[in-house]
Amino acid sequence: DTEVTQTPKHLVMGMTNKKSLKCEQHMGHRAMYWYKQKAKKPPELMFVYSYEKLSINESVPSRFSPECPNSSLLNLHLHALQPEDSALYLCASSEADINYGYTFGSGTRLTVV
Amino acid sequence: TQLLEQSPQFLSIQEGENLTVYCNSSSVFSSLQWYRQEPGEGPVLLVTVVTGGEVKKLKRLTFQFGDARKDSSLHITAAQPGDTGLYLCAGVGPGKSTFGDGTTLTVKP
Repeated sequence: DTEVTQTPKHLVMGMTNKKSLKCEQHMGHRAMYWYKQKAKKPPELMFVYSYEKLSINESVPSRFSPECPNSSLLNLHLHALQPEDSALYLCASSEADINYGYTFGSGTRLTVV
Repeated sequence: TQLLEQSPQFLSIQEGENLTVYCNSSSVFSSLQWYRQEPGEGPVLLVTVVTGGEVKKLKRLTFQFGDARKDSSLHITAAQPGDTGLYLCAGVGPGKSTFGDGTTLTVKP
């Protein structure tokens, strides 16, 4: 299995809602990532988990809360989001050595209304 | 902070033409990756270059890593409509990667 699976594919949520994005990989990768991507722009790093521990938080607002329940799963909990948070949220995984590159999921298209 | 400048930002060409995309930085990277992203999908890794001066070929795509490991280029020969997409370079530095701003390529039939 060489895929990163993200659910849901599309999500519309109100500014008072609580929702979660899910990501799963079975490649044995020990690093997992959340990226945010706006249209025609490069992915922006949000969080990095290495060996199931949060290693990088790129000063992301607390309304985004990551969780890594085990080495195969990564969640992103969303609460009280703003319309400007609407974007494509990408999950990725990699070997511990990132020189091998990332495997990205197809993303969750999030719209905050 | 390591910055990667990618050029051109947009490129629209006819099927059969050749093109080159550039990725430049003042920083040295341990490796550099190229990705292609189609609308509604995540980026897909095309290649990783590691050694200064390295050249890799993937069918009609040729990737080069600069001698000083600060820059890279992607050359596409005889572009096809299926090559349309967002091309991203990513330089690997200490602990994380830096993405270029991307090149949106449109190949018209």
